[in-house]
Amino acid sequence: EAGVTQSPTHLIKTRGQQATLRCSPISGHTSVYWYQQALGLGLQFLLWYDEGEERNRGNFPPRFSGRQFPNYSSELNVNALELEDSALYLCASPPPGRYYGYTFGSGTRLTVV
Amino acid sequence: GENVEQHPSTLSVQEGDSAVIKCTYSDSASNYFPWYKQELGKRPQLIIDIRSNVGEKKDQRIAVTLNKTAKHFSLHITETQPEDSAVYFCAATSGSQGNLIFGKGTKLSVKP
Repeated sequence: EAGVTQSPTHLIKTRGQQATLRCSPISGHTSVYWYQQALGLGLQFLLWYDEGEERNRGNFPPRFSGRQFPNYSSELNVNALELEDSALYLCASPPPGRYYGYTFGSGTRLTVV
Repeated sequence: GENVEQHPSTLSVQEGDSAVIKCTYSDSASNYFPWYKQELGKRPQLIIDIRSNVGEKKDQRIAVTLNKTAKHFSLHITETQPEDSAVYFCAATSGSQGNLIFGKGTKLSVKP
């Protein structure tokens, strides 16, 4: 079974630009969770998508947004990039109908210069 | 909302000793408590989890205990080995929501 896949692996952007990160959950899994892992700050919850809808969002500004497609893959968009947005962005996928047993993808390392 | 505190932030032990990491949570509605291990440059991996209707769970050298009344849970690693060196994160469900809230992590170093 393929795991959670994320792309790109690395992304370098200039302050003020937009970044788009992608995630494909494990086949058959309908939920996708996005987390930001900045240095020294642990994993901060960003967004949760299930069955194509946003179910919950963390304490992040509106310039962090996303969507989930009919095939359950998801996209995270970060607008008006700031230097402090530099972090590892992780996507997680739990088994269907359950919120436990997250499997994380390898992440996208976003660097804002 | 849920808040998860994790201690200590760093822990250094000798190979063969035990290591204990403690977490507290704030939301009494939280009902699922996983622990993740993250090695340098890798993704977090689930190592053990416990649900609120269970007080203790063990898997070989690792165990987790939960005290619902005090709202704290702990990870115990016995007979530590150098390959146990990593950052460990505790987490709790955000009340009735599905997302997990993570502690800030504990960097465990096991010295040979």
